[in-house]
Amino acid sequence: EPEVTQTPSHQVTQMGQEVILRCVPISNHLYFYWYRQILGQKVEFLVSFYNNEISEKSEIFDDQFSVERPDGSNFTLKIRSTKLEDSAMYFCASSDTSNQPQHFGDGTRLSIL
Amino acid sequence: LAKTTQPISMDSYEGQEVNITCSHNNIATNDYITWYQQFPSQGPRFIIQGYKTKVTNEVASLFIPADRKSSTLSLPRVSLSDTAVYYCLVGDEARDDKIIFGKGTRLHILP
Repeated sequence: EPEVTQTPSHQVTQMGQEVILRCVPISNHLYFYWYRQILGQKVEFLVSFYNNEISEKSEIFDDQFSVERPDGSNFTLKIRSTKLEDSAMYFCASSDTSNQPQHFGDGTRLSIL
Repeated sequence: LAKTTQPISMDSYEGQEVNITCSHNNIATNDYITWYQQFPSQGPRFIIQGYKTKVTNEVASLFIPADRKSSTLSLPRVSLSDTAVYYCLVGDEARDDKIIFGKGTRLHILP
């Protein structure tokens, strides 16, 4: 079964540094998403992306965050200047149409020191 | 305000059938009921979705009574690997452009 893959599995970064989390969605999917999960807390929606633009974003997704689909396969989340509170698991997801279930990757654990 | 209420945690034993009930008293006419599963250190995974009566797939069954104010996810003959958090979502909690996860039910399977 096709999978959403995320790299790296674990990223350690100094506070204030930029970080890019990478995702390869399922190949024929058109809708892309990022979520995060702080340790012990709920999975939180960050942003959805379709047709090369953001379709919706949450309050968490402030100016420090950006997303990009630089080519036909990758979908990235950039955090410009990381803060300690950005430490979390970040999950990428994709779906083929707007009313089909989302398929999630296994996440990138981001640790900010 | 959460649309669903489900137990915070449940324990069961290997080989048992597990039923997790979710209350959604204010479900709207057009709302579907969706369940996701999240294993430790993994992303959520779609399990099943239904609108009324019963839906069954290779993983689980979903029972929805006529009034649709609740639903029950049934996992037959669980194993240790079914230990996970199970999320019940209703209507636009699982809509097109985002999923709004609650705290889910933490299911712990014992040997």
